[in-house]
Amino acid sequence: GQNIDQPTEMTATEGAIVQINCTYQTSGFNGLFWYQQHAGEAPTFLSYNVLDGLEEKGRFSSFLSRSKGYSYLLLKELQMKDSASYLCAVRDPYGGSQGNLIFGKGTKLSVKP
Amino acid sequence: DTEVTQTPKHLVMGMTNKKSLKCEQHMGHRAMYWYKQKAKKPPELMFVYSYEKLSINESVPSRFSPECPNSSLLNLHLHALQPEDSALYLCASSQESGVYGTQYFGPGTRLLVL
Repeated sequence: GQNIDQPTEMTATEGAIVQINCTYQTSGFNGLFWYQQHAGEAPTFLSYNVLDGLEEKGRFSSFLSRSKGYSYLLLKELQMKDSASYLCAVRDPYGGSQGNLIFGKGTKLSVKP
Repeated sequence: DTEVTQTPKHLVMGMTNKKSLKCEQHMGHRAMYWYKQKAKKPPELMFVYSYEKLSINESVPSRFSPECPNSSLLNLHLHALQPEDSALYLCASSQESGVYGTQYFGPGTRLLVL
């Protein structure tokens, strides 16, 4: 089967650091993606991990451990505009979607002053 | 440039209407996708086109009919929709389908069926 889990909601303070976790169980694995989605808007690509380790891109970093089926998205120096849903998505080449993305339900992050 | 455009931004239609959603990309991507997203839910894959051919249809009702006139354009024809079809319809594209390429999403069409 295919399952992707992430927390439903998180709250953090402006200027702080927040870590959003994602765990997955899939038939196969060919990459994990993080997308940001503001309410009523389209998902925006943030990061891609296919090998273990940390990928850093400005204030955003993403980590992957394939052996643990685990990833996290780290947001530093939080800004109010970071309030959004963060979607974890896995590419499973052996899954029913023929290698296309399987999305988690998303984590709604609220950044407070 | 990673831009995917979609028109219209908003659409209201009755259950007997016929309408079309349009999607365009000029990144040379060979895979294009339609997703449906309900409020507070993740996107659900509907169709995948690879090299202008339909490669995936995720058991979508026939009242949704996709069309790929060329490698840059993707349409979704709508006919006899139901109120529960009201949702945000997202188009995406990637260099290839399947195990390669990052998907980039368009801004979406917010559809309301009355």
